[in-house]
Amino acid sequence: RKEVEQDPGPFNVPEGATVAFNCTYSNSASQSFFWYRQDCRKEPKLLMSVYSSGNEDGRFTAQLNRASQYISLLIRDSKLSDSATYLCAVGSGTGKLIFGQGTTLQVKP
Amino acid sequence: DAGVTQSPTHLIKTRGQHVTLRCSPISGHKSVSWYQQVLGQGPQFIFQYYEKEERGRGNFPDRFSARQFPNYSSELNVNALLLGDSALYLCASSSRSGAEGYTFGSGTRLTVV
Repeated sequence: RKEVEQDPGPFNVPEGATVAFNCTYSNSASQSFFWYRQDCRKEPKLLMSVYSSGNEDGRFTAQLNRASQYISLLIRDSKLSDSATYLCAVGSGTGKLIFGQGTTLQVKP
Repeated sequence: DAGVTQSPTHLIKTRGQHVTLRCSPISGHKSVSWYQQVLGQGPQFIFQYYEKEERGRGNFPDRFSARQFPNYSSELNVNALLLGDSALYLCASSSRSGAEGYTFGSGTRLTVV
């Protein structure tokens, strides 16, 4: 079993749709959680940190469920520009981030 | 403010050669990590350095080595290159805890032929 798992997709959605991604992790001692966005052939860019209380940034909402060991990302009112690969990353507090495979989102007009 | 800078951006090497990749962290960041990303996968952790000391090592062979300099810049060295080493090599910098996340450089795309 991979330490961090994501559904690779692709998720194909129309503009304006709401889409949700989940990511599960196996290490219950994990301490930090992030969502990154990666465009084709570019570096990952930090989208959001994820906290137990949940956090929102505009159209994006991230949540952490420690009991079930998963994190989620909700994108509302999808835009064409949201098309990218979304990577979840989990840190154990040692400086090492473990990434999921990434979930590909394609928003269509 | 300059972000994380990596050089070179692209590199083509022959099997058996060695390569040195360079990274400069964000000013004020003392932690540098290296990741390998092959097509279709998420980045895989190779090394972390903090205050010039190795603080973590991923599951990579001894052909991979790294170091951090007094100015917190870092080098990743790979010896005896294999075709499978072809990948995007990413450097990330963070504050000590990394709790606020890691910022990645644009990477070095290494092709081994």
